[in-house]
Amino acid sequence: AQRVTQPEKLLSVFKGAPVELKCNYSYSGSPELFWYVQYSRQRLQLLLRHISRESIKGFTADLNKGETSFHLKKPFAQEEDSAMYYCALSGSGLRGRAQKLVFGQGTRLTINP
Amino acid sequence: EAGVAQSPRYKIIEKRQSVAFWCNPISGHATLYWYQQILGQGPKLLIQFQNNGVVDDSQLPKDRFSAERLKGVDSTLKIQPAKLEDSAVYLCASRPGWIFNSGGLADTQYFGPGTRLTVL
Repeated sequence: AQRVTQPEKLLSVFKGAPVELKCNYSYSGSPELFWYVQYSRQRLQLLLRHISRESIKGFTADLNKGETSFHLKKPFAQEEDSAMYYCALSGSGLRGRAQKLVFGQGTRLTINP
Repeated sequence: EAGVAQSPRYKIIEKRQSVAFWCNPISGHATLYWYQQILGQGPKLLIQFQNNGVVDDSQLPKDRFSAERLKGVDSTLKIQPAKLEDSAVYLCASRPGWIFNSGGLADTQYFGPGTRLTVL
């Protein structure tokens, strides 16, 4: 079974401080991991995906298969980072078909000035 | 490029009534998804279409929920009859098409604004 766990529902840090949003997953195959973000009054949108190995808005995330984790990190938080963050997993399914996304419960990040 | 459109944005009904939601995906996107997001939880997939065919409806409560995408473009999701526990935001998302596993890049899902349903 596919499962994504985000242990923190709420996370509050001060501007300029490092931030880490935790994500752990359960999947027996080879997963694809994503972070989606929802800013206030905006749509849910993709922030980054592990396969791209990119940094978006200063955020990075490394897939650790040994610990089955995909934590999201940023060295210096900014006020505009305040949002709801969802970790999501897409497992490998039938050959040539994309599996559904399984989302975690989300973490509400608040950056205090 | 216009985004995924959904209507209505808000709907309040009484239990046992019927309700329908509409979604128009991004032009050319072959894959369409309906998600249910209950307050305090992440989105949960209800149904996935590839063009006008159903790929996955394993989590759709088929005794009361139905969805169609007759022409492979826009889609409707219906609840009949509604229950209190159906109160949620219903999200529609679309993606260009198939992706292939074995290291291929995953296509991004683009989400609509959602329809907030309140069942009284």
